[in-house]
Amino acid sequence: AQTVTQSQPEMSVQEAETVTLSCTYDTSENNYYLFWYKQPPSRQMILVIRQEAYKQQNATENRFSVNFQKAAKSFSLKISDSQLGDTAMYFCAFMKLAVSGAGSYQLTFGKGTKLSVIP
Amino acid sequence: DGGITQSPKYLFRKEGQNVTLSCEQNLNHDAMYWYRQDPGQGLRLIYYSQIVNDFQKGDIAEGYSVSREKKESFPLTVTSAQKNPTAFYLCASSFAAGLEPQHFGDGTRLSIL
Repeated sequence: AQTVTQSQPEMSVQEAETVTLSCTYDTSENNYYLFWYKQPPSRQMILVIRQEAYKQQNATENRFSVNFQKAAKSFSLKISDSQLGDTAMYFCAFMKLAVSGAGSYQLTFGKGTKLSVIP
Repeated sequence: DGGITQSPKYLFRKEGQNVTLSCEQNLNHDAMYWYRQDPGQGLRLIYYSQIVNDFQKGDIAEGYSVSREKKESFPLTVTSAQKNPTAFYLCASSFAAGLEPQHFGDGTRLSIL
């Protein structure tokens, strides 16, 4: 079974500054995907960024980037130029890649990090 | 616009009562999922379905039941056997194959009267 650990229950950052959220995971799988989801106070889950384990290059999406260290099983999220709208719970999630390439993909979530952006 | 619709937004259950949460999607997704979220916890998988008329238990299926009679719909019933049903419930969907991630609905908050 896979486990996902987010060791920072809460974090805060000044507006326009950079913050890094940590995530580690435990798996015996070699092919998998990692995701960061954002849950603002509206409670809707929004995909922020994803990383395929076979790719060495770290994923980036505008102000969001990841530091993926496969050997260390680490997947941190960096938010640059933090904005007030970034205030939310952030969840790291792991998805095992089905061997056949078909079928549904189950997500395993961490417990989340509550990020507050301070004006 | 395509998306996932969950209803109702808030739901109250009396002791010994079964209640059903609705989830409908028009994204043409094959797979659908139900998650439960408790304070301080991540999302935990209750049930999932890859195709119509087929579904599998997730990590916390006890006290819940589902059906998948149509591709677009995946209702979740919280039965009286679920002794601690107060939580936030999220429905999600995805393509069964490929690399598309799961898309989520806006959730249903279930409380006990």
